[in-house]
Parts: sequence; structure tokens; C-alpha cells
Amino acid sequence: ETGVTQTPRHLVMGMTNKKSLKCEQHLGHNAMYWYKQSAKKPLELMFVYSLEERVENNSVPSRFSPECPNSSHLFLHLHTLQPEDSALYLCASSQDSGVSSDTQYFGPGTRLTVL
Amino acid sequence: AQKITQTQPGMFVQEKEAVTLDCTYDTSDPSYGLFWYKQPSSGEMIFLIYQGSYDQQNATEGRYSLNFQKARKSANLVISASQLGDSAMYFCANGASGNTPLVFGKGTRLSVIA
Repeated sequence: ETGVTQTPRHLVMGMTNKKSLKCEQHLGHNAMYWYKQSAKKPLELMFVYSLEERVENNSVPSRFSPECPNSSHLFLHLHTLQPEDSALYLCASSQDSGVSSDTQYFGPGTRLTVL
Repeated sequence: AQKITQTQPGMFVQEKEAVTLDCTYDTSDPSYGLFWYKQPSSGEMIFLIYQGSYDQQNATEGRYSLNFQKARKSANLVISASQLGDSAMYFCANGASGNTPLVFGKGTRLSVIA
């Protein structure tokens, strides 16, 4: 596998469920990101990890819980979500965070539907 | 704070013609980067092209070129010889140094007509 992969690609869950989204990057990057993309809204940055440390948390509700066990893997744990959390969740990685020239490479996304 | 403005919600272009997608930015950072991404209906954000604020020449990548006008704070994407597969959403983004997050515009939906 090359680039950035995400699983699952599609997820339907009830409001009481607990699920996790997984992201893996094969690019040797040090920084990883979670974004949320809702219909007709700009991309919203949720979390940034640099060398497995969280460096950005954009006022995201606690029902979203990120985990970065190593620089290649990033998880987003979901629990007691709301229907308005239905969106496309995109993972990205870059060589480092905080460098203006660093390109972020994105995975294919997980399309989440909360019933 | 950084801001990206894409004023064209939707654009149409005839196959094989060139098209320009507009992007203006606002940043106080002296060192910054400008990126364009393509997002097909499948959802993946595909990196197209990058322009650094200190680059003297406009960036080019195959059929993509970036018309960078620093004084006007614009970074328009030019796609030459449009193909049906170019139909997608296109996002302009601005990156600055110092753990400042990448800021995306609202996007432009491009439709290529046969």
C-alpha cells in the first residue's frame, strides 16, 4: 500500500454505538491530521499530531477522541455521536506540521452516517 | 488569521478548452504556501500544485499552472486542455509557518462538457 489509507470507507452507526476510524500513512511523515467535511461547508481541521503528540485540538466535542500510537497510525474513536456528526472524515499526513511548504496528502476518507 | 476566498461556486468548461479557477488569500505571515487540491465525487483530496510565497516563477505541473500575483494576493489555478475527468471540486488552501493550520476555501465545482 502506498500513500494514505483509511478504513472503513463507509460507516453507518447509531447514536449509542462506539466505533473507530483508522488511518495509516506509508510516506514516512511525522505529522497526521483529522478533518471533517460536512455538506456545503469548508473543510474543518479537528486534530493535528506531530511525532505522536497532539499539537492542535480545534474545540472538538469530547465524543470524538483521537489516538496516535505511532507516527504511521492515527485513530478517531467515536461514541454517542449525533446525527449532525454525519460527514466525510478525512485523514492527512505531511512531513512536518507548522512548515508552510509542507504538502498534506489525504486519504480517501470515511463517509460516516449517524442514525 | 489566514483567509481563502473562492468566489466561483461552479464553473463550466468545454472539453479541450482552458479554464481558470479563482483564489484570493489574506495572510499576515511573510512566508506562506498556496496549494490546490482536486476532490472527485469519490471524496479523496488529491494534491495538484504548490506555490511558495518567495517563488519567483509561477508553479506548473503538467496541465496545471498557478497564476500567482503576490501584490493582488491571488493564486488562480489554470487547467489547460480540459478533460472530462477534470470534473470535480477544486479547493485552494493557504499554509503558514509555526503550527498554523492549513486553511481551505469553500471550493469551486468544475464541470467539463463534452
